[in-house]
Amino acid sequence: GIQVEQSPPDLILQEGANSTLRCNFSDSVNNLQWFHQNPWGQLINLFYIPSGTKQNGRLSATTVATERYSLLYISSSQTTDSGVYFCAGRSGSARQLTFGSGTQLTVLP
Amino acid sequence: ETGVTQTPRHLVMGMTNKKSLKCEQHLGHNAMYWYKQSAKKPLELMFVYNFKEQTENNSVPSRFSPECPNSSHLFLHLHTLQPEDSALYLCASSQAGGGAHNEQFFGPGTRLTVL
Repeated sequence: GIQVEQSPPDLILQEGANSTLRCNFSDSVNNLQWFHQNPWGQLINLFYIPSGTKQNGRLSATTVATERYSLLYISSSQTTDSGVYFCAGRSGSARQLTFGSGTQLTVLP
Repeated sequence: ETGVTQTPRHLVMGMTNKKSLKCEQHLGHNAMYWYKQSAKKPLELMFVYNFKEQTENNSVPSRFSPECPNSSHLFLHLHTLQPEDSALYLCASSQAGGGAHNEQFFGPGTRLTVL
């Protein structure tokens, strides 16, 4: 399967700040998802984005498939954005998603 | 609410107990998954079912036994577990097939503690 690397591993922000989370993958992907895991463990789907750019409120994501990376942008962060952000990808030859190690985001009031 | 439910949400069991985790999806999907998430670690895929047939078993010990009676329900039967099996167990569902359009949706998880 592919390797998925996320950076940074930890990020602390003041409320209102903007941030960029990065996901690199070792092979081309045909499935790329971003998730937010809340403190209770629930994984919330943020984006399904194997290529291109999508926006949803204060969040947006861009995947550059040819360069094997994806970015998640969080603008005007709020304390409720705290949690772990995971990206997960799957290459065409694989049958399962591979998850990165996550970025632990803490937004301070 | 993602359309995937799991019960129980919390479970404490001894090493000699037998228990089962249940997952149900209301999304019309035909693939279901079990993942394990240990503290400070990424999600590890355990089992995959497509159209009720097991298609992946990632070297999971036999003390974990999955069951998929239909495309909407998935169980994980547990017996003689070890303390290191304590983790968050997550169920997910998606459309089946190796194509691109199988976005996975997750349940809230069962937090398991083995004493």
